[in-house]
Amino acid sequence: SQKIEQNSEALNIQEGKTATLTCNYTNYSPAYLQWYRQDPGRGPVFLLLIRENEKEKRKERLKVTFDTTLKQSLFHITASQPADSATYLCALDGGSSGSARQLTFGSGTQLTVLP
Amino acid sequence: GEEVAQTPKHLVRGEGQKAKLYCAPIKGHSYVFWYQQVLKNEFKFLISFQNENVFDETGMPKERFSAKCLPNSPCSLEIQATKLEDSAVYFCASSQSPGGNQPQHFGDGTRLSIL
Repeated sequence: SQKIEQNSEALNIQEGKTATLTCNYTNYSPAYLQWYRQDPGRGPVFLLLIRENEKEKRKERLKVTFDTTLKQSLFHITASQPADSATYLCALDGGSSGSARQLTFGSGTQLTVLP
Repeated sequence: GEEVAQTPKHLVRGEGQKAKLYCAPIKGHSYVFWYQQVLKNEFKFLISFQNENVFDETGMPKERFSAKCLPNSPCSLEIQATKLEDSAVYFCASSQSPGGNQPQHFGDGTRLSIL
């Protein structure tokens, strides 16, 4: 069956360190993978998207990698700050093997950056 | 507008009553999506629209749930004869595309509490 798994529900790191979040999927062949941030009581906010033929994408302190062989995406926040504390969600579409008509979301990783 | 607007923010209904939720997408976005978030961060896709036409309803419960997007009106999601298990946060999102090649822009959700 199709599954999207994000690493441990909660991740605590020290301010200034790099946070690395993982998103693993099975039985998908996504054409695109996206990352969102969700704060308590708010809707998800789009951060980055990466195509299946891209290995890496960067935006300011954020970096996303996409390995279609491992079926994994890594999401890095460098020089993390307490303001980065939030839940981070990965989402992917069905690509060529499934429905490209919708995104499916992982269950999220709650990141806490400790001052 | 520039943001997805969802109303009301919080809706309380007794079991068996009807609940109706509204969503105004970003102007110029052709696609509207409804998601149900129950228990932390598990997003469940319900239905999507391309303008006023149903685009993908594979996640929509067959009974009790209905949705519409009519011209010049907010989109709506209606639940008839609500059950306790319908308690969740319902998010609406809009986008220029149904798949993963464009970000989805989310509203802040309607928290539905069934008593």
